[in-house]
Amino acid sequence: GQQVMQIPQYQHVQEGEDFTTYCNSSTTLSNIQWYKQRPGGHPVFLIQLVKSGEVKKQKRLTFQFGEAKKNSSLHITATQTTDVGTYFCAVFASGGSYIPTFGRGTSLIVHP
Amino acid sequence: DAGVTQSPTHLIKTRGQQVTLRCSPKSGHDTVSWYQQALGQGPQFIFQYYEEEERQRGNFPDRFSGHQFPNYSSELNVNALLLGDSALYLCASSLGTGAYEQYFGPGTRLTVT
Repeated sequence: GQQVMQIPQYQHVQEGEDFTTYCNSSTTLSNIQWYKQRPGGHPVFLIQLVKSGEVKKQKRLTFQFGEAKKNSSLHITATQTTDVGTYFCAVFASGGSYIPTFGRGTSLIVHP
Repeated sequence: DAGVTQSPTHLIKTRGQQVTLRCSPKSGHDTVSWYQQALGQGPQFIFQYYEEEERQRGNFPDRFSGHQFPNYSSELNVNALLLGDSALYLCASSLGTGAYEQYFGPGTRLTVT
């Protein structure tokens, strides 16, 4: 079945430092979504990537889809305490399946 | 514009019992998906309902069943509860059954003792 790995599992940063989480798939993907879940909250959709090599930006967040469509990254520039939460990737295998497989997530802890 | 709502918020059940969880999708959405999220894990896809039929199913046993009503709301039923069924159950709605943006509800925290 679809395997997806997210690294790191946890990341502690000082406020103002940058943060990056990676999502790696064992198979080629059709597309990938990123979600953020605050502590005690529910996942909130951030972005969807579809094209090989695609890069999308949302203010301090930069999302990238790998050229081979097997991996993705989320980079946050100059973290703030409001960035605290767990970031999940949800991948969709190529071949027409619309069943998403979520990674275990990367928990970001920002120290003021 | 109401978002996704779920009830109840919390639930405590005993092993072997049955439970029903409810979900109302975001206004305008016609597709509801259910997920199980264990502590420290990502959400796991249970199944998806569209036009009152189960359209896709993840790797969950038949003890997990569901229903969608004409108003697009949905129920998740779990029979013969096991301790391992303790988790946060999330409902997500979307516009269509493809790989679309999903809006999650606040979830129902189920504890099986």
